[in-house]
Amino acid sequence: AQSVTQLDSHVSVSEGTPVLLRCNYSSSYSPSLFWYVQHPNKGLQLLLKYTSAATLVKGINGFEAEFKKSETSFHLTKPSAHMSDAAEYFCVVSDGAGTYKYIFGTGTRLKVLA
Amino acid sequence: GAVVSQHPSRVICKSGTSVKIECRSLDFQATTMFWYRQFPKKSLMLMATSNEGSKATYEQGVEKDKFLINHASLTLSTLTVTSAHPEDSSFYICSADRQGRDYGYTFGSGTRLTVV
Repeated sequence: AQSVTQLDSHVSVSEGTPVLLRCNYSSSYSPSLFWYVQHPNKGLQLLLKYTSAATLVKGINGFEAEFKKSETSFHLTKPSAHMSDAAEYFCVVSDGAGTYKYIFGTGTRLKVLA
Repeated sequence: GAVVSQHPSRVICKSGTSVKIECRSLDFQATTMFWYRQFPKKSLMLMATSNEGSKATYEQGVEKDKFLINHASLTLSTLTVTSAHPEDSSFYICSADRQGRDYGYTFGSGTRLTVV
């Protein structure tokens, strides 16, 4: 069965410093992985996705993630944090067992300090 | 780009009444839509998969008679919370499948339901 673990429930960074949000996955299949961002009381916006092409994936707003099969990781990074990046981030794996389900991590709340 | 509209964004209702939430795909057809529930400061929990023209598939532990889902057209799915109780208060989010699960589903902006 698929699962996703987000290792940090809260991350605080200063504006202009790098961001690292960690995600590990477990999958019996070749997974598809996503990062979504959610601002307060809003829906989810897709940041980026990995679908078995290039292992380094570039997304919107300067975010990147690298798929590392050997480490079963899909960490999200950004070189320089902006105040507007403060939000909840979810790592997601799609169920490859013939269904259409997404399995969500528990989320990481990113706080950006001025 | 793919847009999913969810309405209403906020609703307050009295205990015992029913509330309907709409999820529309504005610029694409979606044979499959999904309904999630999100508790405060928690992750999203899949409630059910809504299939156009057929019955919804509910996740284990979700009461199908309480959370009625109708997917009558390729652009509209509705979730009706029947006989609402305060414990049904939550943030409900829908998503729609435009290109397939491996390309990223599009999410609505969510509905904050408060039952008083």
